[in-house]
Amino acid sequence: GQQLNQSPQSMFIQEGEDVSMNCTSSSIFNTWLWYKQDPGEGPVLLIALYKAGELTSNGRLTAQFGITRKDSFLNISASIPSDVGIYFCAGHPLNTNAGKSTFGDGTTLTVKP
Amino acid sequence: EAGVAQSPRYKIIEKRQSVAFWCNPISGHATLYWYQQILGQGPKLLIQFQNNGVVDDSQLPKDRFSAERLKGVDSTLKIQPAKLEDSAVYLCASSWVADTQYFGPGTRLTVL
Repeated sequence: GQQLNQSPQSMFIQEGEDVSMNCTSSSIFNTWLWYKQDPGEGPVLLIALYKAGELTSNGRLTAQFGITRKDSFLNISASIPSDVGIYFCAGHPLNTNAGKSTFGDGTTLTVKP
Repeated sequence: EAGVAQSPRYKIIEKRQSVAFWCNPISGHATLYWYQQILGQGPKLLIQFQNNGVVDDSQLPKDRFSAERLKGVDSTLKIQPAKLEDSAVYLCASSWVADTQYFGPGTRLTVL
């Protein structure tokens, strides 16, 4: 099946620092999604990207759909303690049904006050 | 607007026993998904329903897993018999538009 490689696996940062994480695939995706999951909860959609090169922001979060359509990154600026959680990338490969998302294995973010 | 409801939140069973999970999606959402999330991994789609029809069940281990959405609203996922490797969080999600899936809190299953 489709594989998404998400890196880094974990990050430990100080409050106020910026964070960057990325996701790569060996095949082309036509949609990239970024989710955040808090302990004991389901993932929550943060940003959706639909076009190669697209750059989208949601508050302090910015995500980009890579030009090759095989990668995406998520940046968090000026991190705060509530940014702690697991961030997942997900995407829809070409020629799959629109709802069939493939997920990466997540980046665990820890923010030290 | 009420979110996706799932029950139970936790379940502990012994291997070879049966277990069932229930999901009530957000009102009006035609599409319902069941995911399996093993500790340290991202969610993996098990089955996708559109109303009461199955759209995709290619990753559902059909020898032991079954799911139904008889009236196109709530859904149940069953495992019979359970194996140790079924220990995971089972997430239900629903959507109106395919890319915007809303997840429930999940059911954490431990198989001993």
